[in-house]
Amino acid sequence: SQQGEEDPQALSIQEGENATMNCSYKTSINNLQWYRQNSGRGLVHLILIRSNEREKHSGRLRVTLDTSKKSSSLLITASRAADTASYFCATHPRGGGKLIFGQGTELSVKP
Amino acid sequence: NAGVMQNPRHLVRRRGQEARLRCSPMKGHSHVYWYRQLPEEGLKFMVYLQKENIIDESGMPKERFSAEFPKEGPSILRIQQVVRGDSAAYFCASSPPDTVSREQYFGPGTRLTVT
Repeated sequence: SQQGEEDPQALSIQEGENATMNCSYKTSINNLQWYRQNSGRGLVHLILIRSNEREKHSGRLRVTLDTSKKSSSLLITASRAADTASYFCATHPRGGGKLIFGQGTELSVKP
Repeated sequence: NAGVMQNPRHLVRRRGQEARLRCSPMKGHSHVYWYRQLPEEGLKFMVYLQKENIIDESGMPKERFSAEFPKEGPSILRIQQVVRGDSAAYFCASSPPDTVSREQYFGPGTRLTVT
């Protein structure tokens, strides 16, 4: 069963604003990953944060992980119209090779 | 280094026909995963394979679906006697053989339409 849940389901912001997406999960994990999917396309890996890490940065992306609350957030700073896409969190559970995806947050950045 | 390759990109089948989806992992990757994405939903895990072995097929429907990853050649996801509910995007991903980092690299997907 799916365990990742993203919040919000949809987010609409203006270019230049920050976008924050949240993800909750249920079981112990090795790591948590964020992916982006443009409409009708494949997934692009954005960032991976391990279970013993609390925060990670990559360019305009900042990811936090709170294993006590079983939650993660993805922050995109200074958003651009090209950031418009669906964003998915995916957990890699302990002992398993598969990724478990949430339902995604649909981000719309208006120019 | 070419990415994960999937073909065909689009596949149309009539109800009752067979669908064969192919996935070539990235060079050096020995783990392959198949996921299905229904419209407006996230990806759902189907099966995890290594060369000549099925490691985890907990997400595979019990009937009509099968997967293989032979010693030579691409991984194949086979759907027999397709039904309308099989219409979806099927994504393949691959990962390197290390066990610590499980970053998965996704292919562009095969969009199956059953008419």
